[in-house]
Amino acid sequence: SQTIHQWPATLVQPVGSPLSLECTVEGTSNPNLYWYRQAAGRGLQLLFYSVGIGQISSEVPQNLSASRPQDRQFILSSKKLLLSDSGFYLCAWSSGVAGNTIYFGEGSWLTVV
Amino acid sequence: DAKTTQPTSMDCAEGRAANLPCNHSTISGNEYVYWYRQIHSQGPQYIIHGLKNNETNEMASLIITEDRKSSTLILPHATLRDTAVYYCIVRLRGSSTDSWGKFQFGAGTQVVVTP
Repeated sequence: SQTIHQWPATLVQPVGSPLSLECTVEGTSNPNLYWYRQAAGRGLQLLFYSVGIGQISSEVPQNLSASRPQDRQFILSSKKLLLSDSGFYLCAWSSGVAGNTIYFGEGSWLTVV
Repeated sequence: DAKTTQPTSMDCAEGRAANLPCNHSTISGNEYVYWYRQIHSQGPQYIIHGLKNNETNEMASLIITEDRKSSTLILPHATLRDTAVYYCIVRLRGSSTDSWGKFQFGAGTQVVVTP
């Protein structure tokens, strides 16, 4: 069966410090990968998605970037964090088949202080 | 994607069935109905989805009305661990990859299961 993992689960970072959140998927090949952010009490906002290695699409301009160095690995990064980057970040995957279902990771809580 | 309307909250007694309604009156013939739930501080969990026929899996049952303008998610025997926010989503069949970002999970229904 397919599984998705992301880490770290929680982190507290000072303003201006770098960020790296990592996500891996197991049990499938060539998945579509996504990074979402969820503000407290609100819905999910898509940040990035990828349909293949090295292929990244950004939905909103921001202080973050994403990379996909391997087929089942997706990384969310920042060179200098802002206070507004605080939030709950979710990695997700779906198959490349139309009409597919999306599955989410456990989430990462980021607090920028 | 069609818009959905769900009650803000509902309570359910442990061991009883929980029936969660969702209205999607503008749904088109090619749109699926999906249900997810999110337990506090965790990622959303897929529950079930369907097009026009009723569906059942190990977690829940999905009842879609004949005109497809509404649906009901049924948790047959609610437990305390079913306390979560439940989201009803409609998504166009055959949507492109990025379409998972083109709808919002919205507010959902806060379900509280009590002993």
